[in-house]
Amino acid sequence: LAKTTQPISMDSYEGQEVNITCSHNNIATNDYITWYQQFPSQGPRFIIQGYKTKVTNEVASLFIPADRKSSTLSLPRVSLSDTAVYYCLVATRSNDYKLSFGAGTTVTVRA
Amino acid sequence: ETGVTQTPRHLVMGMTNKKSLKCEQHLGHNAMYWYKQSAKKPLELMFVYNFKEQTENNSVPSRFSPECPNSSHLFLHLHTLQPEDSALYLCASSQDIRRARGTGELFFGEGSRLTVL
Repeated sequence: LAKTTQPISMDSYEGQEVNITCSHNNIATNDYITWYQQFPSQGPRFIIQGYKTKVTNEVASLFIPADRKSSTLSLPRVSLSDTAVYYCLVATRSNDYKLSFGAGTTVTVRA
Repeated sequence: ETGVTQTPRHLVMGMTNKKSLKCEQHLGHNAMYWYKQSAKKPLELMFVYNFKEQTENNSVPSRFSPECPNSSHLFLHLHTLQPEDSALYLCASSQDIRRARGTGELFFGEGSRLTVL
């Protein structure tokens, strides 16, 4: 199972860009990188997914360098409602199936 | 309705009660999951069903009993719980296990907040 490491918490202010970097040094060739967002007392919500280079959608951008050993989730111009826990997930193909979430990064956006 | 629906959203039960949590997905998926999220802890995978067959039991105590009558419905039967079982129980689905394993794409419900007195 590809282990991920991301910061425990980050603080930001409204209108700023927030970048969260996730390390996944032992990512396998076929693995995808997926990010989820979770608000208090709600289930995680899929934000974005990528394999390499850059992916952008209406919510965020995901930057993945050529070696794929890390990835950066970029949230442009955050608002108070972006305060949440953000999880980086690397899915690994294996016979011993476990899709696990780490502690995530708690992003707090202040006015 | 669309997505993954969990009921009840909140449940308070005594240690001797028997209750059930229900999950229904309207996405046409074939894999369903139960996760437990205790306060300030990461999500813990409990059970996985793929095409109605249980494929994962992550060393969950027998006081939690899952049931998957079809690919759209998943239940978690609760009996003789302990106060430390109080948590947010999350249901998720994916197209199938292989798809989730490869891409990590899960669709979660809003969760059932369980309090055991």
